[in-house]
Amino acid sequence: AQRVTQPEKLLSVFKGAPVELKCNYSYSGSPELFWYVQYSRQRLQLLLRHISRESIKGFTADLNKGETSFHLKKPFAQEEDSAMYYCALGYSSASKIIFGSGTRLSIRP
Amino acid sequence: NAGVTQTPKFRVLKTGQSMTLLCAQDMNHEYMYWYRQDPGMGLRLIHYSVGEGTTAKGEVPDGYNVSRLKKQNFLLGLESAAPSQTSVYFCSSRPGTSGNYEQYFGPGTRLTVT
Repeated sequence: AQRVTQPEKLLSVFKGAPVELKCNYSYSGSPELFWYVQYSRQRLQLLLRHISRESIKGFTADLNKGETSFHLKKPFAQEEDSAMYYCALGYSSASKIIFGSGTRLSIRP
Repeated sequence: NAGVTQTPKFRVLKTGQSMTLLCAQDMNHEYMYWYRQDPGMGLRLIHYSVGEGTTAKGEVPDGYNVSRLKKQNFLLGLESAAPSQTSVYFCSSRPGTSGNYEQYFGPGTRLTVT
């Protein structure tokens, strides 16, 4: 069955330190992968999608099909990065999109 | 554009009562989704729709029904609410065009079933 796993419920790092939020997926076909972010009192919004290979707010994510991973990385964390991050998998021609359990990122000053 | 709106924002129900949550979007999007968000479990897909008049089951469809009679609206119904349905419900929509998979989310509806 299709699944998205985010093993860390909470990740706390100091400002300026590197950040890596882990995401593993289970899907036998060609996945569409995304990272969504939810800042305090705001709506969920798209951060990154693997197909566009872009860097948003200093974050990048690379799809590793061999390891079935799509980890989110940022070299230097900033306080405004504190938020809830969700990894998502689109399949069935991306009509169906499921999410992981989320990781709360807390940046300490 | 208002984007994706959800009605109501908050609701308290007694066990066994019924209610309908309304999701509306003004972006002419084909696809719409209903999720529930619970602590430690993230967002779980309840039902989704790939176009007007169509609906399909997601990961956790039991106890819910949906309808998409108009392209801009996606209704989520609870026929007989249970405490296990206490959650925050999110609706989202996205274009149906190939390659554009960004979902736009509503603000959420906080539902408590006592």
